[in-house]
Amino acid sequence: GENVEQHPSTLSVQEGDSAVIKCTYSDSASNYFPWYKQELGKGPQLIIDIRSNVGEKKDQRIAVTLNKTAKHFSLHITETQPEDSAVYFCAARAIQGAQKLVFGQGTRLTINP
Amino acid sequence: DAGITQSPRHKVTETGTPVTLRCHQTENHRYMYWYRQDPGHGLRLIHYSYGVKDTDKGEVSDGYSVSRSKTEDFLLTLESATSSQTSVYFCAISESLYGYTFGSGTRLTVV
Repeated sequence: GENVEQHPSTLSVQEGDSAVIKCTYSDSASNYFPWYKQELGKGPQLIIDIRSNVGEKKDQRIAVTLNKTAKHFSLHITETQPEDSAVYFCAARAIQGAQKLVFGQGTRLTINP
Repeated sequence: DAGITQSPRHKVTETGTPVTLRCHQTENHRYMYWYRQDPGHGLRLIHYSYGVKDTDKGEVSDGYSVSRSKTEDFLLTLESATSSQTSVYFCAISESLYGYTFGSGTRLTVV
């Protein structure tokens, strides 16, 4: 089955700098890669996703890149702000079988003022 | 989260007792999932449902059972709770192949 590895587990950046979180996946059939943000005491919320037919997707300060050959994808947050502090999860899903997402271990991002 | 409610939000129970967690949705979504969240492990799938009375196991299903008798409700039961089942449990729903909506979670402590 699919296995997703996420790095780093913790990340601390200065406000205004950029943050990058990386994930690798094992199943070459995976074709959908969402990113979730989880604030303290809340459930994860979808912030951006990418499908395997594109290499990059942007939404304001957030972007995701996908390298299918290397089987890795990354989340990029530019001009970080204090409200970006949260735990971020990547996930992957293959079309085969039921539509189950497999999640990475999570990255705790802290933005220092 | 709009459209999905988990109950209870917090529960403390004793080892060996049965526990049932409830997930209720008002979105009429086909798919429902139960995940557990533990430090260092991210979110791991326990069970999921792809329709009324249609359920299947996830990667960490041992010790858990589920039922879905109505589209809107997905119940997770710990038949005999153990300390290793202390965790935060999240329910999620989806209609299409893309995008889950998560509930706010249930923090379960087994003592």
